[in-house]
Amino acid sequence: GAGVSQTPSNKVTEKGKYVELRCDPISGHTALYWYRQSLGQGPEFLIYFQGTGAADDSGLPNDRFFAVRPEGSVSTLKIQRTERGDSAVYLCASSTGNEQFFGPGTRLTVL
Amino acid sequence: KNEVEQSPQNLTAQEGEFITINCSYSVGISALHWLQQHPGGGIVSLFMLSSGKKKHGRLIATINIQEKHSSLHITASHPRDSAVYICAARKAAGNKLTFGGGTRVLVKP
Repeated sequence: GAGVSQTPSNKVTEKGKYVELRCDPISGHTALYWYRQSLGQGPEFLIYFQGTGAADDSGLPNDRFFAVRPEGSVSTLKIQRTERGDSAVYLCASSTGNEQFFGPGTRLTVL
Repeated sequence: KNEVEQSPQNLTAQEGEFITINCSYSVGISALHWLQQHPGGGIVSLFMLSSGKKKHGRLIATINIQEKHSSLHITASHPRDSAVYICAARKAAGNKLTFGGGTRVLVKP
């Protein structure tokens, strides 16, 4: 079956703009995770959804970052007033239990 | 100090050599994951361990809960094993993963 998909694969934007990153989890996976990976580093946790609700959003760096999952399937990570430091690969993962399945990521570049 | 530390950061080996990557963590965990990341970003889960040892093909993962340490071994390494290997700890409370910084492995033919 289809794995986790993320769109767009690449996004280039200008400082101060708003961006939305989309994640389509594996069908039936109730848990969905967003991570951010800066160049040369391991991923960092941003937010975790169980169904429609954010079960843990402790990793969101500030209030410019927000994520939703209104129907418990597709999730959108929203970044307002982007800054150059937001440039990274944004990874999404989904799971039904302990193992997480990762998407290919969205590479965000803020100029 | 990071909660999950990996060593080495970079490793170069000749084809056929035995490779070991180490991971130490400082928090209580319910499981330790080993992941592989190829250029382009895709991450694949290799192992999930809560105790003992697991083997899959030429890959072996071990964990020592008392010492809070895990190792990933690659036997008879091959150039296609070249990738970044990442360990990640799932804390005893919660489901989110805390990642190490990754080990970049290059296997030369």
